[in-house]
Amino acid sequence: AQSVAQPEDQVNVAEGNPLTVKCTYSVSGNPYLFWYVQYPNRGLQFLLKYITGDNLVKGSYGFEAEFNKSQTSFHLKKPSALVSDSALYFCAVRDGGNAGNMLTFGGGTRLMVKP
Amino acid sequence: DAGVTQSPTHLIKTRGQQVTLRCSPKSGHDTVSWYQQALGQGPQFIFQYYEEEERQRGNFPDRFSGHQFPNYSSELNVNALLLGDSALYLCASSLGPSSYNSPLHFGNGTRLTVT
Repeated sequence: AQSVAQPEDQVNVAEGNPLTVKCTYSVSGNPYLFWYVQYPNRGLQFLLKYITGDNLVKGSYGFEAEFNKSQTSFHLKKPSALVSDSALYFCAVRDGGNAGNMLTFGGGTRLMVKP
Repeated sequence: DAGVTQSPTHLIKTRGQQVTLRCSPKSGHDTVSWYQQALGQGPQFIFQYYEEEERQRGNFPDRFSGHQFPNYSSELNVNALLLGDSALYLCASSLGPSSYNSPLHFGNGTRLTVT
């Protein structure tokens, strides 16, 4: 079985400050990890993924994420937050050892960036 | 280049009724997955269709069924609706059923309300 935990329901940050949204995962095989963002009344938009290689992956809109195998974490980061980054963020995992691309999502973290 | 399109955007049904939701995948994609997102939660995998067959299924009862057509579009059918089926239903498409290089692209979803 695979699972994802996002320990914070909400993260508040001031515009211009760095932000971190936390994610830990559990999977039996090699983890394929993803971050998606959801704006109100919209579907999920892909931000970035980790499959293999460098532990620091860069994605859309200036976001990046750091894969840490020993801590089974994949935290989302951005050096300088924008008010427009305010949205719901989901971490997801897929077991790379299994066929099919079923994703297991965390419960989501609401990011609030204040001017 | 059209993205994933879903119809209808909103739907209200009564307990016990049946509903059909529709999805057209992103151009060039041949695999469709369906997810259920209850209010305040992350999406949960329902099933995946590829080559007009159900390839993977999540932990959902048989009341949930689907179909994929030769043009890769898909339908999700839910019979004997329960109040707990009220949710945002998301369709996601990808190229191939297991390619890690093809992240899921999501539609904006169908909001189903069961009264």
